[in-house]
Amino acid sequence: DADVTQTPRNRITKTGKRIMLECSQTKGHDRMYWYRQDPGLGLRLIYYSFDVKDINKGEISDGYSVSRQAQAKFSLSLESAIPNQTALYFCATSASGETQYFGPGTRLLVL
Amino acid sequence: RKEVEQDPGPFNVPEGATVAFNCTYSNSASQSFFWYRQDCRKEPKLLMSVYSSGNEDGRFTAQLNRASQYISLLIRDSKLSDSATYLCVAREGGADGLTFGKGTHLIIQP
Repeated sequence: DADVTQTPRNRITKTGKRIMLECSQTKGHDRMYWYRQDPGLGLRLIYYSFDVKDINKGEISDGYSVSRQAQAKFSLSLESAIPNQTALYFCATSASGETQYFGPGTRLLVL
Repeated sequence: RKEVEQDPGPFNVPEGATVAFNCTYSNSASQSFFWYRQDCRKEPKLLMSVYSSGNEDGRFTAQLNRASQYISLLIRDSKLSDSATYLCVAREGGADGLTFGKGTHLIIQP
């Protein structure tokens, strides 16, 4: 079984819709992250969390929100999706802030 | 803005050859460095950490030059399975989140 899982793996939605991407991990790590990846732009950090009560903005947090429901779960929400949020989204976990372990990604298309 | 710069390639290399690529980082406060490998449509996976003294893992050798703020990756005896995108990554000491380069695309040709 994968240590970091993401659901859904693919999602098509319409402009203005609210959607949630979910991440779960069985690695027991305290730190969790959300990134987006766009062609030509690389990976960019959206939000990260050091533990259940800690939420921090990353480089590109506008238009996104997160919830750390438990140590093992970190969800990303798009309150009102727009086409330029079309991207590949990765969740990652880390024990120490050093090595990060990524989930398989969620492909999101906003029409 | 913190940046990590890489040549996007693609690097087309015959099987068995040696290939090297570099990346540069702009934030002199960066303290930890890594190479990640990403296959098409897959998640990034850690290839190796980069230490100041240089380090080797099988056919892969990583070097760090703090004075010039660049990191290198050398792959010897390249295999078809080495075809992937290689991401150069930097992390500031005491901070979290990693700064990723945009990746170098490597294609090993038979």
